[in-house]
Amino acid sequence: DPKIIQKPKYLVAVTGSEKILICEQYLGHNAMYWYRQSAKKPLEFMFSYSYQKLMDNQTASSRFQPQSSKKNHLDLQITALKPDDSATYFCASSQRGNQDTQYFGPGTRLLVL
Amino acid sequence: QQKVQQSPESLIVPEGGMASLNCTFSDRNSQYFWWYRQHSGEGPKALMSIFSNGDKKEGRFTAHLNKASLHVSLHIKDSQPSDSALYFCAVRVGTQVVGQLTFGRGTRLQVYA
Repeated sequence: DPKIIQKPKYLVAVTGSEKILICEQYLGHNAMYWYRQSAKKPLEFMFSYSYQKLMDNQTASSRFQPQSSKKNHLDLQITALKPDDSATYFCASSQRGNQDTQYFGPGTRLLVL
Repeated sequence: QQKVQQSPESLIVPEGGMASLNCTFSDRNSQYFWWYRQHSGEGPKALMSIFSNGDKKEGRFTAHLNKASLHVSLHIKDSQPSDSALYFCAVRVGTQVVGQLTFGRGTRLQVYA
């Protein structure tokens, strides 16, 4: 059974619209992350959360807002979508600790037209 | 800001051959290093971690770390067609308990039968 679930797998949106990407982890981890991967850039860190609190934000734009309703959930709301937001968004989780491995979900591939 | 560079960009080896992947990083405070593998359409999966200078072997995979030279490498012995994937080096400085990973652009490995 998949331990990190991301929904939907694929998403097509129009410019200016808003979408929410869902992530749930069943690994019992207490830290969760969002990363983005596009053809132009390597895997890029966006946010980290621990115990439902924002720990780090490396996203320049306020259009990206993480939302944590439960400790094993970390959704990503993206508003005013732009074609440049087209990418695959990966959720990851780990235990708290520098030596703890981050485990990645299967990703949501977003295409903004 | 941490920069992680990987070489070569792509690598083709015969089945049973040795694949050697290289990674350099820029921040001398970097403490923790991972190698991830990503097959097409999937999320990255952690292969192994290395935190101390020297070699670490796990099955057919050997990682080597030299913090003074800002260099980490991965060697895959007896390469198999199933090893064909995109390989990432990931680096964490370790100043935060819930810290981001900085990834390189990856090395695409192709193993032919």
